[in-house]
Amino acid sequence: GAVVSQHPSRVICKSGTSVKIECRSLDFQATTMFWYRQFPKQSLMLMATSNEGSKATYEQGVEKDKFLINHASLTLSTLTVTSAHPEDSSFYICSATNLDSPNEKLFFGSGTQLSVL
Amino acid sequence: GQNIDQPTEMTATEGAIVQINCTYQTSGFNGLFWYQQHAGEAPTFLSYNVLDGLEEKGRFSSFLSRSKGYSYLLLKELQMKDSASYLCAVRDMREAAGNKLTFGGGTRVLVKP
Repeated sequence: GAVVSQHPSRVICKSGTSVKIECRSLDFQATTMFWYRQFPKQSLMLMATSNEGSKATYEQGVEKDKFLINHASLTLSTLTVTSAHPEDSSFYICSATNLDSPNEKLFFGSGTQLSVL
Repeated sequence: GQNIDQPTEMTATEGAIVQINCTYQTSGFNGLFWYQQHAGEAPTFLSYNVLDGLEEKGRFSSFLSRSKGYSYLLLKELQMKDSASYLCAVRDMREAAGNKLTFGGGTRVLVKP
């Protein structure tokens, strides 16, 4: 099956620093990638939709200047949490759509646990 | 927008059956998904329903009634490893990105010996 690689899997940083998370589709081309955020014991909340070669579409309430998304190629999207604060500590998960099977299930990365001290 | 409801927690005994219900409200339904998620891990795909009826996959089955805005996930012959959160997600055909999913709050299932 299709594989989505996400790293780092865990990152601990100091408040005020920026953290970059990468999401790669390893064996398929993904025109669209999605970034989700999940707090403990809660469900996935969509943050933004990342389209290759264009600006990301952010969900209501998500600060685009704080969560920078770049989808530079059909296999790579990055999420940068700028000037991270403790309240940004969360589990971040990316997912991708297979260009060849747009109506099929989403493929998820393994997630990144961000802890901001 | 979409409104997706599922129970917060359920407890069942090893070897038994558990049914997780999901109700949704959406104007442009285009498929319902069930995912399993263990703590600290990414969700894994379980099932997909777009037409009414029952889809069976081994110990897992999923049912959909579009007229009622209702789905359930049935887990049979429960095993300890089935203890996880189960997420119901709905796709809306009106969304610009065809595979954009909205997730319910998830149901934590605890399987006891």
